[in-house]
Amino acid sequence: KNQVEQSPQSLIILEGKNCTLQCNYTVSPFSNLRWYKQDTGRGPVSLTIMTFSENTKSNGRYTATLDADTKQSSLHITASQLSDSASYICVVSYSNSWGKLQFGAGTQVVVTP
Amino acid sequence: EAGVTQSPTHLIKTRGQQATLRCSPISGHTSVYWYQQALGLGLQFLLWYDEGEERNRGNFPPRFSGRQFPNYSSELNVNALELEDSALYLCASSYGTSGGAFVEQFFGPGTRLTVL
Repeated sequence: KNQVEQSPQSLIILEGKNCTLQCNYTVSPFSNLRWYKQDTGRGPVSLTIMTFSENTKSNGRYTATLDADTKQSSLHITASQLSDSASYICVVSYSNSWGKLQFGAGTQVVVTP
Repeated sequence: EAGVTQSPTHLIKTRGQQATLRCSPISGHTSVYWYQQALGLGLQFLLWYDEGEERNRGNFPPRFSGRQFPNYSSELNVNALELEDSALYLCASSYGTSGGAFVEQFFGPGTRLTVL
């Protein structure tokens, strides 16, 4: 069973609308959680990184939240744009296994005009 | 500033052959990470090299190996290729020796390996 579960698997939204992606993890011991954006055929690009002591972090129209107690995170996209169409990946880092990251399967977001 | 580069872009091999994938990190970065992204699946951690040494390894068989050169570039070798090795192989680099725990990893565009 994957230690990082994302939902929904895919999402279609209208341009200008908001959406929220979910990430639940069981990775332990936990170090930090990242959200990446991956365009088709490209490498992932980091959006946010949060440690267990951080509750929220923003990067432009992207806002990530973290509840380390319930081991849940969300990524909120505000006023979506066509360029937001991509896969959004939740990534969790172990605090006792350096260099190793646990990736979720991603949520495929499609923004339509 | 040039990003992480990988070569080749695409690689086609037959079952049983060996594949060699290459990665050049961002200038100044000493750590290189390799990941496998099979179709429809999430990225799986393969290997982490730092300062020429293998620092950590994911749950992959020994036929997946690699090395890091003095200029910090890296090579991933996959021996005795199997059909299920077909995937996008991503390389990432970071600065520092914290192992990526708090250090940003920058990804390359990947090498698409197809095993026939």
